[in-house]
Amino acid sequence: NAGVTQTPKFRVLKTGQSMTLLCAQDMNHEYMYWYRQDPGMGLRLIHYSVGEGTTAKGEVPDGYNVSRLKKQNFLLGLESAAPSQTSVYFCASTPTSNQPQHFGDGTRLSIL
Amino acid sequence: SQQGEEDPQALSIQEGENATMNCSYKTSINNLQWYRQNSGRGLVHLILIRSNEREKHSGRLRVTLDTSKKSSSLLITASRAADTASYFCATAGGTSYGKLTFGQGTILTVHP
Repeated sequence: NAGVTQTPKFRVLKTGQSMTLLCAQDMNHEYMYWYRQDPGMGLRLIHYSVGEGTTAKGEVPDGYNVSRLKKQNFLLGLESAAPSQTSVYFCASTPTSNQPQHFGDGTRLSIL
Repeated sequence: SQQGEEDPQALSIQEGENATMNCSYKTSINNLQWYRQNSGRGLVHLILIRSNEREKHSGRLRVTLDTSKKSSSLLITASRAADTASYFCATAGGTSYGKLTFGQGTILTVHP
C-alpha cells in the first residue's frame, strides 16, 4: 500500500520551462491538495480538489495550474517556471474534509 | 498568510525530558491538527483535536486546545532522540473543504 506517491522526487528547470508534477494516491480519497514549503514559512496551499473533475484555488495559486481527471491523480503544472517557484512541493489527500491528511514525500524543484 | 504562530521556533532538550510546543491562531476553527516532519520527508499526522474538545492523548503525546485564547499546545513526554523533527500545527476552518493553514513549525532536537 503506497499511500501518496509524488513524481519526480527532484527536478532542476531553467526559467521559462514547463513541467508537470504528478501526485497519485491509492486510498480512494476524495480530497487532494498541493502545498509548497519554503524555508521558515511552513506549508502554503496552492490548489486543491474536492473530487474527480474539480479544482479550486488555494492561498498561492498564481503561476500554477492543476487537473484532476482521475480520482487517484492530481497534477500540478508550471507553464513558465520562475526562480520564485523554487521550493519543495507536497501533495496530500484525505477521505473527508474533517479528517487528517496523508502526505507524499515531496518534490524538490529548483529553477535556475 | 500564515494562520498559526508557533513558539518556540526551535527547542533543544535532553533525552527523557518533556518538550512543549505552542500554537496560536487567528480565526475560528473546525479542528486543529499537529504534524511531524522528519528531515527530507513528508508530514506525518500526529493528533487531530476538534473545536469542541479540550484535550487529547496519543501515547506520549498530549494536545490541549483553548478556543477562547485561540491557542493549542503539544506536549511530548519522555522525549527520545527519534523525536527529533519539525512539528507543525495546522488549522481547518468551518467550511474550508479540509484546507489546512499551517504554522511555521517548531524544530525539536533531542540529544541522546
